[in-house]
Amino acid sequence: GQQVMQIPQYQHVQEGEDFTTYCNSSTTLSNIQWYKQRPGGHPVFLIQLVKSGEVKKQKRLTFQFGEAKKNSSLHIAATQTTDVGTYFCAGYDYKLSFGAGTTVTVRA
Amino acid sequence: DSGVTQTPKHLITATGQRVTLRCSPRSGDLSVYWYQQSLDQGLQFLIQYYNGEERAKGNILERFSAQQFPDLHSELNLSSLELGDSALYFCASSVDWAWADTQYFGPGTRLTVL
Repeated sequence: GQQVMQIPQYQHVQEGEDFTTYCNSSTTLSNIQWYKQRPGGHPVFLIQLVKSGEVKKQKRLTFQFGEAKKNSSLHIAATQTTDVGTYFCAGYDYKLSFGAGTTVTVRA
Repeated sequence: DSGVTQTPKHLITATGQRVTLRCSPRSGDLSVYWYQQSLDQGLQFLIQYYNGEERAKGNILERFSAQQFPDLHSELNLSSLELGDSALYFCASSVDWAWADTQYFGPGTRLTVL
C-alpha cells in the first residue's frame, strides 16, 4: 500500500538559517498537502500541490512537488522562532496518508 | 480556530472502561475524519464518515466504533480501553467526501488510560 516517508524526523535550526524537509511516497500521488502542528496544538492546513513540478510560496515557505509526483519538499528560509512545530506532509492517492512529520526546534 | 469542535478536551479513565469522544464539523462540511496521534505512531487515520455513512476505514481497532448523526456531528466510541489507547484523538472535517479536500482539524481530545 501507499507509504509516505518524511525526513528528517527532527530538525534543529539556528534562527536565521534555512532548512528543508522532504517527503517521499512509494506511489505516484494525485496531490500532496502540507500541515503544521504547533506544540500542544492541532494540525493546520498549509497548502496543497497538484501539478507535476509545481512550486508554491507562502512568505518564507517554499513548497515543491516533484516532476514524478512521488516526492515533495518544504523549504523554510531565515527560520524564526514562530516556525517551531511539526510539519506533516500528506499524500493523496486513493486516500490521504500522513508522513510521520518533521519536528522543528529553533535556537535563538 | 478551525471551526471544528471536540469534546471533552481531556479524558482520564481506567483500563477496561468505555468512553465517547464527540466532534462537530465546520458548518457546511459533510465529511468527518477521526485520527489517533500517539508519540510512537504519528498521525493514524481511523475512519471517515460522509453525510451519515461510513466512507473509509483505516487502522481502527474492533474495540473502536464511530457514527455520524443526522446533524453531522460524530462520535468515536472506544471500549475495553487499554493503556496503549492513551493518545490524542483528532477529528477533522472537509466539505466533500474526496480525500483531496482540505481537512480542518479540531483541537483534539487527550485520552489518558490509567
